[in-house]
Amino acid sequence: DGGITQSPKYLFRKEGQNVTLSCEQNLNHDAMYWYRQDPGQGLRLIYYSQIVNDFQKGDIAEGYSVSREKKESFPLTVTSAQKNPTAFYLCASSIQGASDTQYFGPGTRLTVL
Amino acid sequence: GQQVMQIPQYQHVQEGEDFTTYCNSSTTLSNIQWYKQRPGGHPVFLIQLVKSGEVKKQKRLTFQFGEAKKNSSLHITATQTTDVGTYFCASSTGTASKLTFGTGTRLQVTL
Repeated sequence: DGGITQSPKYLFRKEGQNVTLSCEQNLNHDAMYWYRQDPGQGLRLIYYSQIVNDFQKGDIAEGYSVSREKKESFPLTVTSAQKNPTAFYLCASSIQGASDTQYFGPGTRLTVL
Repeated sequence: GQQVMQIPQYQHVQEGEDFTTYCNSSTTLSNIQWYKQRPGGHPVFLIQLVKSGEVKKQKRLTFQFGEAKKNSSLHITATQTTDVGTYFCASSTGTASKLTFGTGTRLQVTL
């Protein structure tokens, strides 16, 4: 919300293709996060980054990759190794870390056909 | 790893009734945050609790953090249709640099 953009809102891909989801923030936040949400489920952490050029695996990192070359940007690549990629992907940012409020983007709904 | 259990998973109330969701952890939490996600939307921050036994109010919403900092609750008085959505608690422990989200409670309110 307010300052975090994700695009596109809906994305369709064929099985076996890699796809990159974008996440941009202009809040000057150091920390950024990627979550996956499946229907009727909570949020599961994929990757997070607390500073430029550094990131850590979350709870379900297998089949995903990220980069953090700029403070404002934290793109997520869903690779063909991800066995069940169809889901709602949410990007978030916070000032520094886990004790700070997380601001979420509008999300990207990925469907793999 | 840290797990945060949230109950109930789903609750359906009539407008005007009260609603409570509970968040429980087996480990001591540094803080607890609450988020609301409207259907088709993204989570939006509601509040953060840090101190043992802390109680905070936002209009019809009352948030509590347990004395042992292992549980929390969100109570809505006299629900309205605008309260519809899924409510998540989220927490971190110690020096953890990430939040762990509860499974969420989906609230449905009908007239």
